[in-house]
Amino acid sequence: AQTVTQSQPEMSVQEAETVTLSCTYDTSESDYYLFWYKQPPSRQMILVIRQEAYKQQNATENRFSVNFQKAAKSFSLKISDSQLGDAAMYFCAYSSTNSGNTPLVFGKGTRLSVIA
Amino acid sequence: DTGVSQNPRHKITKRGQNVTFRCDPISEHNRLYWYRQTLGQGPEFLTYFQNEAQLEKSRLLSDRFSAERPKGSFSTLEIQRTEQGDSAMYLCASRTTGDYEQYFGPGTRLTVT
Repeated sequence: AQTVTQSQPEMSVQEAETVTLSCTYDTSESDYYLFWYKQPPSRQMILVIRQEAYKQQNATENRFSVNFQKAAKSFSLKISDSQLGDAAMYFCAYSSTNSGNTPLVFGKGTRLSVIA
Repeated sequence: DTGVSQNPRHKITKRGQNVTFRCDPISEHNRLYWYRQTLGQGPEFLTYFQNEAQLEKSRLLSDRFSAERPKGSFSTLEIQRTEQGDSAMYLCASRTTGDYEQYFGPGTRLTVT
């Protein structure tokens, strides 16, 4: 079974600075998807960025980028120019790409605080 | 389409009562998932529907839990004889075949007193 580990329960960053959230995973599959989801307080979970395992190029979405190291099974999220609205729980998640059930497997999350 | 919706948003019930939650997925999404999230944890998979068929249940889904998705549209999750350990956020997510991103609803927060 796949597992996802987020080793940083809490992180903080100064507004306008850069922060990196860590995620490692374990799988025997060669093709899969990885996601970072953001869950603001009392609000629903939204996708921040996604990475397809067969793509070597790291995904980027505006201020958010990932460092995907497939051999090391590492998938970190970098947030540049942090804003107050970035404060939230961030979850790293794994999805198999088989044709059947593909539930997301989540890490325990990292709570990010942004200091003004 | 306004996204995945869930009702109610909050539910407080006494131990031993039955509760039912509803999820309305994005209309063209044929796959629907239920997750449970307890405080300080990431969501954990409960069950999965493809259209109206419930294709998988996790070991977390005891026999007090039942889920349905009649006609492959909305889904309901019922918990019978609630226990304090059932207190959690229950999340619903949906997706379409070929797109592995799941879209989440706002969740139903259940408190069992």
